Amino acid sequence: AQSVAQPEDQVNVAEGNPLTVKCTYSVSGNPYLFWYVQYPNRGLQFLLKYITGDNLVKGSYGFEAEFNKSQTSFHLKKPSALVSDSALYFCAVSPPLSTDKLIFGTGTRLQVFP
Amino acid sequence: DVKVTQSSRYLVKRTGEKVFLECVQDMDHENMFWYRQDPGLGLRLIYFSYDVKMKEKGDIPEGYSVSREKKERFSLILESASTNQTSMYLCASSFFGGTGDYEQYFGPGTRLTVT
Repeated sequence: AQSVAQPEDQVNVAEGNPLTVKCTYSVSGNPYLFWYVQYPNRGLQFLLKYITGDNLVKGSYGFEAEFNKSQTSFHLKKPSALVSDSALYFCAVSPPLSTDKLIFGTGTRLQVFP
Repeated sequence: DVKVTQSSRYLVKRTGEKVFLECVQDMDHENMFWYRQDPGLGLRLIYFSYDVKMKEKGDIPEGYSVSREKKERFSLILESASTNQTSMYLCASSFFGGTGDYEQYFGPGTRLTVT
């Protein structure tokens, strides 16, 4: 079955430190990969995507993610965390034969401490 | 900017009531989606529509139906609400089949409580 795993329910990091939110997927072929962020009581907001090309993609608010095909991973990173980055982050995958749909991970709550 | 709006932010209904959740998008997107979001489960697809009057079941369609009479509007219907349908409901839209940017754009969500 196709799936997306976010192994950490919560990630805690101090402001100014680098952050990583992990995502691995189990989808055959070459999927499209996405990260979304959700602030409290809000809908999901698009952060970045990998469709093809350079494995390192840059997105909104200083976030970036690296596509690693051999490890089937798409980890979200930021060099220096801000308290305002505290939110719920979702990784999503669009399978090659069904690119209109998204399969979501269960989400990782990022808490950045001052 | 793409705008996806949902008719209510918060809704409280009684068990057995018929519930309508409305979603409208202004980007001429072909695809529209209804998800429910529950803690620890992420987002699960309820129904998907790729054109007017067309619909496709998602992962958890039981207890729900949908209606798409106009391209910009997609309604989710709970025929007889039950307490296990208490959840956050998210609507999304996107272009069809790679003709656009592949992203889904989300509304603000409706938090439904069934008592």
